[in-house]
Amino acid sequence: QSALTQPPSASGSPGQSVTISCTGTSSDVGGYNYVSWYQQDPGKAPKLLIYEVSKRPSGVPDRFSGSKSGNTASLTVSGLQAEDEADYYCSSYVGGNNVVFGGGTKLTVL
Amino acid sequence: QVQLVQSGSELEKPGASVKVSCKASGYTFTRYSMNWVRQAPGQGLQWMGWINTNTGNPTYAQGFTGRFVFSLDTSVNTAYLQISSLKAEDTAVYYCARELKWLDYWGQGTLVTVSS
Repeated sequence: QSALTQPPSASGSPGQSVTISCTGTSSDVGGYNYVSWYQQDPGKAPKLLIYEVSKRPSGVPDRFSGSKSGNTASLTVSGLQAEDEADYYCSSYVGGNNVVFGGGTKLTVL
Repeated sequence: QVQLVQSGSELEKPGASVKVSCKASGYTFTRYSMNWVRQAPGQGLQWMGWINTNTGNPTYAQGFTGRFVFSLDTSVNTAYLQISSLKAEDTAVYYCARELKWLDYWGQGTLVTVSS
């Protein structure tokens, strides 16, 4: 199973919105509504931000939103804040009780 | 509150074995699957597979068969990852994480360093 495709980097100024894409195939992203997104600060464990494409766990600010169109999922961070600077990973269930991650995107707040 | 607490860092020589533990608390251990995720230095996340905490049946991702073994001790709510015949390229942080279709709680990670 190949990794999902994410841009290696993204950036935005405080207050702006930034969108990170996650491209797969009809066998993963396009085939299931089980796309999730994770935020990872340097030296820390990843944290779940979005699950089932667009749902937020309790405690995750509504500035973070997820969506999907066809084989591409997206994470949008609105009202960018300095604390949002981190690595972001998407993941998709691929059936057969298997999971695949994207390569990760480093978000820089300018 | 849900917590996954992993064992401490390990330094091993090539060819040796290592066993990483992940102790769960704050929920019914056997109701949620446990996953293992690898992160090599400066690299992204790589899903290694999962273990059904109800049946003990493991599923390994491509590239993690043979030298990698997932196991459980449900009496102490703990999952284990054992890696045998260690290679330098096994140097990484290994995370346990709960659930499957999404990973809602993560351990703090265990750094395994393989060096002669």
